[in-house]
Amino acid sequence: AQSVTQLDSHVSVSEGTPVLLRCNYSSSYSPSLFWYVQHPNKGLQLLLKYTSAATLVKGINGFEAEFKKSETSFHLTKPSAHMSDAAEYFCVVIRGGTYKYIFGTGTRLKVLA
Amino acid sequence: SQTIHQWPATLVQPVGSPLSLECTVEGTSNPNLYWYRQAAGRGLQLLFYSVGIGQISSEVPQNLSASRPQDRQFILSSKKLLLSDSGFYLCAWSGDSPNTGELFFGEGSRLTVL
Repeated sequence: AQSVTQLDSHVSVSEGTPVLLRCNYSSSYSPSLFWYVQHPNKGLQLLLKYTSAATLVKGINGFEAEFKKSETSFHLTKPSAHMSDAAEYFCVVIRGGTYKYIFGTGTRLKVLA
Repeated sequence: SQTIHQWPATLVQPVGSPLSLECTVEGTSNPNLYWYRQAAGRGLQLLFYSVGIGQISSEVPQNLSASRPQDRQFILSSKKLLLSDSGFYLCAWSGDSPNTGELFFGEGSRLTVL
């Protein structure tokens, strides 16, 4: 069965430093993976998605993620954090053969001035 | 372009009262529709999804129900609210193809049950 594990519930970085949000997935075959961002009291917005094309996926706002099958990981990175990046981030996998999107428990990113 | 509307944005209800949250999608046809709940400090829990009019799949046993009376309308209901029903409810839609499409979310409805 498909699942995702977000390894950190909270991450703090200083403005201008790199961001790394970790996600490991479990899937019996090639998954479709997504990263979403949620600002307080708002809906979720797609950052990027992996659907078995290029393993390095570029998204909006300077974020990117690399699909590593050998490590079953799909970590989200950004070279330089901005204050506006402070939000909650969710890693998502689609359960194969269904319409069910499985969400991780989220990582809250704090950006320090 | 496609848009998704969800209302009301906030709701305060007493225990035992009924609930109706509504979601509509514009600019697409035959979407897959979803209701998620997000409790404070927790991830998103899939409550219901629908692949067509009148077709509802329930993921979690609870006192909530969902209906899809029209192609682009999805309603979340309860006859009698519990304290544990408090949370942030999100409606979402995806395209007809599974496994590759992204989910598009509404702005959410915050429900507080007192």
